[in-house]
Amino acid sequence: TQLLEQSPQFLSIQEGENLTVYCNSSSVFSSLQWYRQEPGEGPVLLVTVVTGGEVKKLKRLTFQFGDARKDSSLHITAAQPGDTGLYLCAGFILTGGGNKLTFGTGTQLKVEL
Amino acid sequence: DAGITQSPRYKITETGRQVTLMCHQTWSHSYMFWYRQDLGHGLRLIYYSAAADITDKGEVPDGYVVSRSKTENFPLTLESATRSQTSVYFCASSEQKRETQYFGPGTRLLVL
Repeated sequence: TQLLEQSPQFLSIQEGENLTVYCNSSSVFSSLQWYRQEPGEGPVLLVTVVTGGEVKKLKRLTFQFGDARKDSSLHITAAQPGDTGLYLCAGFILTGGGNKLTFGTGTQLKVEL
Repeated sequence: DAGITQSPRYKITETGRQVTLMCHQTWSHSYMFWYRQDLGHGLRLIYYSAAADITDKGEVPDGYVVSRSKTENFPLTLESATRSQTSVYFCASSEQKRETQYFGPGTRLLVL
Protein backbone atom coordinates (compact mmCIF):
# COMPACT_ATOMS: atom_id res chain seq x y z
CA THR A 1 0.00 0.00 0.00
CA GLN A 2 1.47 3.33 -1.09
CA LEU A 3 0.56 5.95 1.48
CA LEU A 4 1.77 8.88 -0.58
CA GLU A 5 0.75 9.08 -4.21
CA GLN A 6 2.50 11.50 -6.50
CA SER A 7 1.29 12.75 -9.85
CA PRO A 8 2.27 12.94 -12.54
CA GLN A 9 4.83 10.15 -12.52
CA PHE A 10 6.68 11.60 -15.50
CA LEU A 11 6.73 15.13 -16.87
CA SER A 12 8.62 16.46 -19.88
CA ILE A 13 8.31 20.16 -20.62
CA GLN A 14 10.04 22.99 -22.44
CA GLU A 15 12.14 25.61 -20.74
CA GLY A 16 10.02 28.50 -19.50
CA GLU A 17 6.86 26.48 -18.86
CA ASN A 18 5.16 26.24 -15.49
CA LEU A 19 4.31 22.94 -13.81
CA THR A 20 2.70 21.53 -10.68
CA VAL A 21 3.44 18.23 -8.97
CA TYR A 22 0.95 16.75 -6.53
CA CYS A 23 1.42 14.59 -3.47
CA ASN A 24 -1.73 13.03 -1.98
CA SER A 25 -2.60 10.75 0.89
CA SER A 26 -5.51 9.62 2.99
CA SER A 27 -3.30 9.90 6.08
CA VAL A 28 -2.61 13.03 8.09
CA PHE A 29 1.02 14.08 8.32
CA SER A 30 2.68 16.05 11.09
CA SER A 31 5.07 17.44 8.50
CA LEU A 32 5.82 16.96 4.86
CA GLN A 33 9.07 17.33 2.99
CA TRP A 34 10.07 17.70 -0.64
CA TYR A 35 13.34 16.30 -1.95
CA ARG A 36 15.08 16.52 -5.30
CA GLN A 37 17.27 13.71 -6.50
CA GLU A 38 19.70 13.94 -9.40
CA PRO A 39 21.06 10.92 -11.28
CA GLY A 40 23.67 9.02 -9.31
CA GLU A 41 23.05 10.92 -6.10
CA GLY A 42 20.93 10.69 -2.99
CA PRO A 43 17.84 12.84 -2.36
CA VAL A 44 18.47 16.36 -1.10
CA LEU A 45 15.93 18.18 1.05
CA LEU A 46 14.32 21.23 -0.54
CA VAL A 47 11.76 22.24 2.06
CA THR A 48 9.72 21.11 5.06
CA VAL A 49 6.14 22.27 5.62
CA VAL A 50 4.56 21.81 9.00
CA THR A 51 1.39 23.85 9.31
CA GLY A 52 -1.82 23.13 7.40
CA GLY A 53 -2.19 25.68 4.60
CA GLU A 54 1.44 26.69 4.82
CA VAL A 55 3.08 28.06 1.68
CA LYS A 56 6.84 28.27 1.27
CA LYS A 57 8.80 29.69 -1.63
CA LEU A 58 12.27 28.78 -2.74
CA LYS A 59 13.16 31.01 -5.68
CA ARG A 60 10.95 29.74 -8.53
CA LEU A 61 9.58 26.83 -6.47
CA THR A 62 6.41 27.20 -4.40
CA PHE A 63 5.40 24.51 -1.92
CA GLN A 64 1.99 24.26 -0.31
CA PHE A 65 0.75 22.00 2.48
CA GLY A 66 -2.93 21.18 2.36
CA ASP A 67 -5.25 22.56 5.04
CA ALA A 68 -5.96 19.06 6.34
CA ARG A 69 -2.26 18.10 6.16
CA LYS A 70 -3.05 15.18 3.84
CA ASP A 71 -1.65 16.61 0.63
CA SER A 72 0.94 18.94 -0.81
CA SER A 73 1.91 20.52 -4.08
CA LEU A 74 5.07 21.80 -5.70
CA HIS A 75 4.75 24.48 -8.35
CA ILE A 76 7.70 25.50 -10.52
CA THR A 77 7.52 28.77 -12.44
CA ALA A 78 9.48 29.23 -15.65
CA ALA A 79 11.19 25.86 -15.47
CA GLN A 80 14.84 25.63 -16.42
CA PRO A 81 16.97 22.64 -17.51
CA GLY A 82 18.64 22.74 -14.10
CA ASP A 83 15.29 21.80 -12.54
CA THR A 84 15.51 18.37 -14.17
CA GLY A 85 15.46 15.59 -11.62
CA LEU A 86 13.33 13.27 -9.52
CA TYR A 87 11.09 15.08 -7.06
CA LEU A 88 10.01 13.15 -3.99
CA CYS A 89 7.55 14.08 -1.31
CA ALA A 90 7.89 12.46 2.10
CA GLY A 91 6.20 12.83 5.42
CA PHE A 92 5.91 11.72 9.00
CA ILE A 93 2.48 10.25 9.63
CA LEU A 94 0.82 12.02 12.54
CA THR A 95 -0.21 8.91 14.43
CA GLY A 96 1.01 5.34 14.20
CA GLY A 97 3.90 6.10 11.90
CA GLY A 98 6.55 6.15 14.57
CA ASN A 99 9.77 7.78 13.45
CA LYS A 100 9.53 6.51 9.90
CA LEU A 101 9.60 8.86 6.96
CA THR A 102 7.14 7.71 4.29
CA PHE A 103 8.12 8.52 0.71
CA GLY A 104 5.99 9.11 -2.33
CA THR A 105 6.61 7.31 -5.60
CA GLY A 106 8.32 10.31 -7.17
CA THR A 107 7.86 12.58 -10.18
CA GLN A 108 10.55 12.46 -12.84
CA LEU A 109 10.85 15.92 -14.40
CA LYS A 110 12.74 16.70 -17.59
CA VAL A 111 13.08 20.26 -18.76
CA GLU A 112 14.32 20.65 -22.32
CA LEU A 113 15.76 23.66 -24.09
CA ASP B 1 35.10 15.84 4.16
CA ALA B 2 32.37 15.56 6.72
CA GLY B 3 29.14 13.93 5.67
CA ILE B 4 27.69 10.55 4.93
CA THR B 5 29.47 8.07 2.70
CA GLN B 6 28.56 4.69 1.29
CA SER B 7 30.74 1.91 -0.07
CA PRO B 8 30.97 0.33 -2.47
CA ARG B 9 29.22 2.61 -4.94
CA TYR B 10 28.64 -0.26 -7.35
CA LYS B 11 28.47 -3.99 -6.66
CA ILE B 12 27.74 -7.02 -8.80
CA THR B 13 27.22 -10.32 -7.02
CA GLU B 14 25.63 -13.69 -7.58
CA THR B 15 22.54 -15.25 -6.09
CA GLY B 16 23.23 -16.83 -2.72
CA ARG B 17 26.30 -14.80 -1.86
CA GLN B 18 26.58 -12.63 1.22
CA VAL B 19 27.03 -8.93 0.57
CA THR B 20 27.68 -6.10 3.02
CA LEU B 21 27.02 -2.48 2.19
CA MET B 22 28.79 0.08 4.33
CA CYS B 23 27.56 3.42 5.59
CA HIS B 24 29.58 5.95 7.56
CA GLN B 25 28.59 9.37 8.88
CA THR B 26 30.76 11.99 10.53
CA TRP B 27 28.06 14.12 12.16
CA SER B 28 27.50 11.87 15.18
CA HIS B 29 23.82 11.75 14.27
CA SER B 30 21.78 9.49 16.51
CA TYR B 31 19.51 8.09 13.81
CA MET B 32 20.57 6.12 10.75
CA PHE B 33 18.45 4.54 8.06
CA TRP B 34 18.68 2.14 5.14
CA TYR B 35 16.37 2.51 2.16
CA ARG B 36 16.06 0.76 -1.16
CA GLN B 37 14.88 2.60 -4.24
CA ASP B 38 13.08 0.77 -7.02
CA LEU B 39 11.17 2.11 -10.00
CA GLY B 40 7.51 2.46 -9.17
CA HIS B 41 8.05 2.06 -5.42
CA GLY B 42 10.00 5.13 -4.47
CA LEU B 43 12.16 4.81 -1.38
CA ARG B 44 11.26 2.06 1.06
CA LEU B 45 12.71 1.77 4.53
CA ILE B 46 14.58 -1.47 5.25
CA TYR B 47 15.94 -0.89 8.77
CA TYR B 48 16.71 2.02 11.01
CA SER B 49 18.66 2.67 14.17
CA ALA B 50 18.00 5.17 16.92
CA ALA B 51 21.43 4.79 18.54
CA ALA B 52 24.30 2.37 18.84
CA ASP B 53 23.05 -1.16 19.53
CA ILE B 54 19.43 -0.15 18.86
CA THR B 55 17.90 -1.21 15.55
CA ASP B 56 14.37 -1.70 14.29
CA LYS B 57 12.65 -3.07 11.21
CA GLY B 58 11.26 -0.88 8.50
CA GLU B 59 8.84 -1.67 5.73
CA VAL B 60 10.89 -4.32 3.85
CA PRO B 61 13.37 -5.99 6.26
CA ASP B 62 13.23 -9.60 5.02
CA GLY B 63 16.55 -10.89 3.76
CA TYR B 64 18.56 -8.09 5.38
CA VAL B 65 20.54 -7.81 8.60
CA VAL B 66 21.93 -4.66 10.22
CA SER B 67 24.19 -3.85 13.11
CA ARG B 68 25.30 -0.67 14.83
CA SER B 69 28.19 -1.22 17.17
CA LYS B 70 29.42 2.36 16.67
CA THR B 71 27.36 5.51 16.24
CA GLU B 72 29.03 6.43 12.97
CA ASN B 73 28.66 3.11 11.14
CA PHE B 74 25.56 1.26 10.03
CA PRO B 75 26.36 -1.70 7.75
CA LEU B 76 23.64 -3.54 5.86
CA THR B 77 24.15 -7.23 5.08
CA LEU B 78 22.32 -9.34 2.55
CA GLU B 79 22.86 -12.80 4.01
CA SER B 80 22.01 -14.71 0.83
CA ALA B 81 21.43 -12.33 -2.06
CA THR B 82 18.46 -12.82 -4.37
CA ARG B 83 17.68 -11.23 -7.73
CA SER B 84 14.81 -9.33 -6.14
CA GLN B 85 17.39 -7.48 -4.04
CA THR B 86 18.83 -5.83 -7.13
CA SER B 87 18.26 -2.18 -6.32
CA VAL B 88 19.82 1.11 -5.36
CA TYR B 89 20.46 1.31 -1.64
CA PHE B 90 20.60 4.60 0.24
CA CYS B 91 21.83 5.23 3.73
CA ALA B 92 20.63 8.31 5.61
CA SER B 93 21.12 9.91 8.99
CA SER B 94 19.35 12.46 11.15
CA GLU B 95 20.22 14.18 14.38
CA GLN B 96 16.95 13.45 16.11
CA LYS B 97 13.83 11.52 15.31
CA ARG B 98 11.43 13.12 12.83
CA GLU B 99 14.04 15.58 11.65
CA THR B 100 15.73 16.19 8.33
CA GLN B 101 17.42 13.12 6.92
CA TYR B 102 20.70 13.45 5.01
CA PHE B 103 21.32 10.87 2.35
CA GLY B 104 24.46 9.22 1.09
CA PRO B 105 25.20 8.86 -2.64
CA GLY B 106 23.82 5.33 -2.85
CA THR B 107 25.09 1.85 -3.70
CA ARG B 108 23.93 0.27 -6.93
CA LEU B 109 23.65 -3.48 -6.41
CA LEU B 110 23.09 -6.02 -9.16
CA VAL B 111 22.39 -9.62 -8.19
CA LEU B 112 22.85 -12.05 -11.06
